[in-house]
Amino acid sequence: DAKTTQPPSMDCAEGRAANLPCNHSTISGNEYVYWYRQIHSQGPQYIIHGLKNNETNEMASLIITEDRKSSTLILPHATLRDTAVYYCIVRPQGFNKFYFGSGTKLNVKP
Amino acid sequence: SQTIHQWPATLVQPVGSPLSLECTVEGTSNPNLYWYRQAAGRGLQLLFYSVGIGQISSEVPQNLSASRPQDRQFILSSKKLLLSDSGFYLCAWTLVEGGYTFGSGTRLTVV
Repeated sequence: DAKTTQPPSMDCAEGRAANLPCNHSTISGNEYVYWYRQIHSQGPQYIIHGLKNNETNEMASLIITEDRKSSTLILPHATLRDTAVYYCIVRPQGFNKFYFGSGTKLNVKP
Repeated sequence: SQTIHQWPATLVQPVGSPLSLECTVEGTSNPNLYWYRQAAGRGLQLLFYSVGIGQISSEVPQNLSASRPQDRQFILSSKKLLLSDSGFYLCAWTLVEGGYTFGSGTRLTVV
């Protein structure tokens, strides 16, 4: 069962930062936050994950609040190719399964 | 590097026919393997997962079964397809700690 809440859709202008929120108010201390995205008709693609600290990689940044009850995925300069459904998932350390929620459909507009 | 192969990419099958979808992983040993299904316009539903050869856990009782005859091979099967089995089937792998890597998926249409 998904333990996260995300807005169903968001719009972003091309070249601007896209900030995608995720609520995980029941997260436990050993649960990681993962972000994936799914471009139409493709398999989901891993973006980033974190436990407590903020994380950054070549694709995005992950900001986790101090109480860990919410997080934000930041795409610093959104392009049209970033249009996709973005999934936020919590996964306990050592747990084998991911449960996907409904995700956020990000529409990047020119 | 690790790669995951899933085939076929698309499949059209009549109601009542059997199904066999295959997924193989290269470049890693003893991965956890998963089958997901995505109905049109819906999210991903976990169907089966496996932590080792012959070890299958079913998440949702249904018209499908899974097998893992080899360490890096995962097969999704059905004896008789239903219309409701239509969807986008995705195989994925992960090690104990880490994110998923998904295959490119099979789009199944049952007619």
